[in-house]
Amino acid sequence: SAVISQKPSRDICQRGTSLTIQCQVDSQVTMMFWYRQQPGQSLTLIATANQGSEATYESGFVIDKFPISRPNLTFSTLTVSNMSPEDSSIYLCSVARDRGWDTEAFFGQGTRLTVV
Amino acid sequence: AQSVSQHNHHVILSEAASLELGCNYSYGGTVNLFWYVQYPGQHLQLLLKYFSGDPLVKGIKGFEAEFIKSKFSFNLRKPSVQWSDTAEYFCAVNAGRNQGGKLIFGQGTELSVKP
Repeated sequence: SAVISQKPSRDICQRGTSLTIQCQVDSQVTMMFWYRQQPGQSLTLIATANQGSEATYESGFVIDKFPISRPNLTFSTLTVSNMSPEDSSIYLCSVARDRGWDTEAFFGQGTRLTVV
Repeated sequence: AQSVSQHNHHVILSEAASLELGCNYSYGGTVNLFWYVQYPGQHLQLLLKYFSGDPLVKGIKGFEAEFIKSKFSFNLRKPSVQWSDTAEYFCAVNAGRNQGGKLIFGQGTELSVKP
């Protein structure tokens, strides 16, 4: 298994500001992902965080709005930029040990963001 | 594009009742399927997974799921639920080869078990 620590666990932010969420894993992993879970909805993949290179974003998500860093194999950050109330969601970090077809994904407890 | 559909948004059962949560996916090729559970205030954790072989998969806490390829389904079952099974359940499919851990989730089903 992998133990994932996300910070902060929750925050209330003013619109127009930015928040950076940190994800720390207790061991090296190949794959790291960021998901969004909007109120009453399922998890939607924002991007794959690539170590040493630009993240790979899913359709509907852009780097200017959700810049991601991944400086090493155990750490990543997601920034939610120029926030609006529509960004109020739970943001989850997920990791997998390798790229294998049958790899299990592990999840952090999430960051509950409220934009006012 | 792949997608996952869960039929029930909210299910309410009494203890000892049987449970079946529906999950259908849309993808014509080989898939790997998962059920995750999120207990109140906790992180998502894996209940069970299907990769190949026996289509009846057993997971933790007495849960099982059956993969029916012809129906593109992966329904979750438990013969007798307990109050502690109250949680949200997510069906998910792996997004493709060489993308370990990258998942597409269904909408989730909230299960409430009355004592």
